[in-house]
Amino acid sequence: GNSVTQMEGPVTLSEEAFLTINCTYTATGYPSLFWYVQYPGEGLQLLLKATKADDKGSNKGFEATYRKETTSFHLEKGSVQVSDSAVYFCALSDSSNNNDMRFGAGTRLTVKP
Amino acid sequence: DTAVSQTPKYLVTQMGNDKSIKCEQNLGHDTMYWYKQDSKKFLKIMFSYNNKELIINETVPNRFSPKSPDKAHLNLHINSLELGDSAVYFCASSQRIGREKLFFGSGTQLSVL
Repeated sequence: GNSVTQMEGPVTLSEEAFLTINCTYTATGYPSLFWYVQYPGEGLQLLLKATKADDKGSNKGFEATYRKETTSFHLEKGSVQVSDSAVYFCALSDSSNNNDMRFGAGTRLTVKP
Repeated sequence: DTAVSQTPKYLVTQMGNDKSIKCEQNLGHDTMYWYKQDSKKFLKIMFSYNNKELIINETVPNRFSPKSPDKAHLNLHINSLELGDSAVYFCASSQRIGREKLFFGSGTQLSVL
């Protein structure tokens, strides 16, 4: 079945540090890949997405590239801010599996000033 | 206007009680979902409805019964609440079923005592 595995947290960084959160997936078809972000006390919001191999999703300084050869979709940001502190979820949606959105376990990021 | 709204935001109740959580979306979307997020932030799909029809019904105890009176509403009724039902429940919607972006409500924190 489809699944998403992302690096365990928590991740603690200083402001302006480089961020990488690893995500790998298993899918039977050709999934779309997503990163969602959950700020404290809120629901998840879409951060970025990519729908086919070699696509790069980007938003608010975050980037992730859909790598079919390594089945990965790692999230990166060159310089994090305190306001980026949140839980980040990698997810996939695959038409061969009722199109339901499968989420990774979430990675909590804390950025310190 | 809130796109996906769910009520109540907090629900504290005793074991054995029956409770409902309501969800409404004003985005004109065809598809709605219920997700459960446990204390470790793991997010798992419970149900999805497309145009009032049940599409996804994961392995969820039959004490949980979703009801969709129209495509803008998807309510969740839970009978005979148990301690293990304590979690945050998120409603979400998407324009249609498929590789679509999900819009989440802000969650209902259910505590069963």
